[in-house]
This record gives sequence, C-alpha cells and structure tokens, in this order.
Amino acid sequence: DTAVSQTPKYLVTQMGNDKSIKCEQNLGHDTMYWYKQDSKKFLKIMFSYNNKELIINETVPNRFSPKSPDKAHLNLHINSLELGDSAVYFCASSLLGDYNEQFFGPGTRLTVL
Amino acid sequence: DAKTTQPPSMDCAEGRAANLPCNHSTISGNEYVYWYRQIHSQGPQYIIHGLKNNETNEMASLIITEDRKSSTLILPHATLRDTAVYYCIVRTSRAGTASKLTFGTGTRLQVTL
Repeated sequence: DTAVSQTPKYLVTQMGNDKSIKCEQNLGHDTMYWYKQDSKKFLKIMFSYNNKELIINETVPNRFSPKSPDKAHLNLHINSLELGDSAVYFCASSLLGDYNEQFFGPGTRLTVL
Repeated sequence: DAKTTQPPSMDCAEGRAANLPCNHSTISGNEYVYWYRQIHSQGPQYIIHGLKNNETNEMASLIITEDRKSSTLILPHATLRDTAVYYCIVRTSRAGTASKLTFGTGTRLQVTL
C-alpha cells in the first residue's frame, strides 16, 4: 500500500537526452510537489501542482516541465539533460493547506554522464 | 520564513532520549515550527509541528520555549532506526495555500549501541 511512488528509482543517461520521471500518490491528496536534492544534500522545492494546476514554480530552467494528467499523478520531464541535473528528485503530496504535512516518495537518483 | 540554526551533528546512545535543539530567534507570531527527518537514501518524513504549545505524538515531543525563539525535538527512546538527518523548519501556515518547505542543513543524529 505504497503512498507516494516514483519510477524509475535510478536513471542513468547521457548529456543532451530527454527523460521523464513519474510520480503517483494514492492518498487522495490534491497537491503534489517536486523537490531536488543535490550532491551537497540541499533539498529544494521545484514545483507544486494543485488539482492539475501549477501553483509553485521556483527558479527552475524551462528544460524542466512538470505535467499533471490528474491530481494523483505529477510527472517531471527534463529536456536536454546537463551534468548539473544529476541529483535525487523527490516527489511529495499533501492536502492543500500550508499546515498539512507532506508525504514524500522514495526518490529517483538521476545521473547524467 | 524565519531562518533556523541547528547543530550539524549529534550522537545518542540507543534507549536514551535524543534532544535536538533548533534556534529560530527571528520567528514571527504566525510562524509554526515543523520537524522532518530524512533517513539515509529515503524521502523526508514528517515528525511533528507546533505553534507555541508543547506537542507530542507517537514519534516525538516538541518543546517550544515561551519566547518561541528556540525549540527542542525529543525522541524519548532513540533506536538505531532513528539515525537520520533532522530538519527544523519555520514557516507561516495559511489555509488554502501550498506548502513550500525550505530545508536547511539539519542535524545528523547518529544513534549508537
């Protein structure tokens, strides 16, 4: 009964390629997020969607394009991958409301060669 | 959101209480104190949050000083599974908005036999 799941768990690819990471939650939440954790372990928010609408967009290159087909899914597509995109990407979900706890997925480790 | 200061690392013997401090001297009246933790290679996990009263749940207790400038997360009987990085986050909570968690560097808690 996985709450927040991500696929794939590991992703190794060449510079310049396009790749996607998928996220699904079965908690009935209406808000989903993408976070990036770099090699120095700093964890930063990238995007947030509520009911398929973008509500948070931090300063992220436009090579990153989140897509939310429904409120249970938030996928992250990355174009023209660069070495600096190597990181662990975490998906999270919550109910809308700043005081609600976020539930995080297991992460996707992306390595760009 | 107010900044937080945490010691970079702490050790605790298994079975003993782990007391993790957090300084948030610039906290404002409507800002909550949240604690999350990240066990190695996993997504962050919500622990507890509070405004000004002490809080307790099945995982931990949160003690907030009367002036709210600092707080302590208490794990009453630490186990090896509690070894993780613990993040103290201060943020305003508003109903109807998405939660943008800002993670600092946290405290790496090592529980030993």
